[in-house]
Amino acid sequence: GAVVSQHPSWVICKSGTSVKIECRSLDFQATTMFWYRQFPKQSLMLMATSNEGSKATYEQGVEKDKFLINHASLTLSTLTVTSAHPEDSSFYICSGMGGGETQYFGPGTRLLVL
Amino acid sequence: QKEVEQDPGPLSVPEGAIVSLNCTYSNSAFQYFMWYRQYSRKGPELLMYTYSSGNKEDGRFTAQVDKSSKYISLFIRDSQPSDSATYLCASRAPYNFNKFYFGSGTKLNVKP
Repeated sequence: GAVVSQHPSWVICKSGTSVKIECRSLDFQATTMFWYRQFPKQSLMLMATSNEGSKATYEQGVEKDKFLINHASLTLSTLTVTSAHPEDSSFYICSGMGGGETQYFGPGTRLLVL
Repeated sequence: QKEVEQDPGPLSVPEGAIVSLNCTYSNSAFQYFMWYRQYSRKGPELLMYTYSSGNKEDGRFTAQVDKSSKYISLFIRDSQPSDSATYLCASRAPYNFNKFYFGSGTKLNVKP
């Protein structure tokens, strides 16, 4: 199947700092990428959908100024958590979709904000 | 009513058992269905992808779609402890191919 990578796999930062997470599709061109967050023992929560070269579409309740998403190329999307706070601590997962019918997920990034 | 509903479990079975994981969906227009497996602290991994109704088999896994009852199932034969994970069902919206609906996931524990 298609491979998606994320970097870093985990990150610890101080409250008030910004954190950038990269998502790359390694063997396919991801025309659409998705960003999810997942709290312990809970299901995936879609944050935003982005198409290459376009602004991301954010789900209701997700602050677009806090979670900056850039999908600059067909193989790279980034999520920047700006002015992170402890409540932003979570597991962030990206996925990519190319010309096929389904999405392929990255391994996730664990963020801990102290 | 959620578009895709899934029993959260947990489901505990002995090694070697046949496992049946199930979801229901609300929109009869749904055509594309997926099953993902998610290990703890990992991203979901695509297991099975089916279109429309019928069965699809891949090794020990069989995905089944019953459109008359709007029911999707994943069967795991000869279950192994390594199958212990959370299983997510999903469907793709027929009117917006960027829209997916996920079940809440069923946690499976296969005991050695």
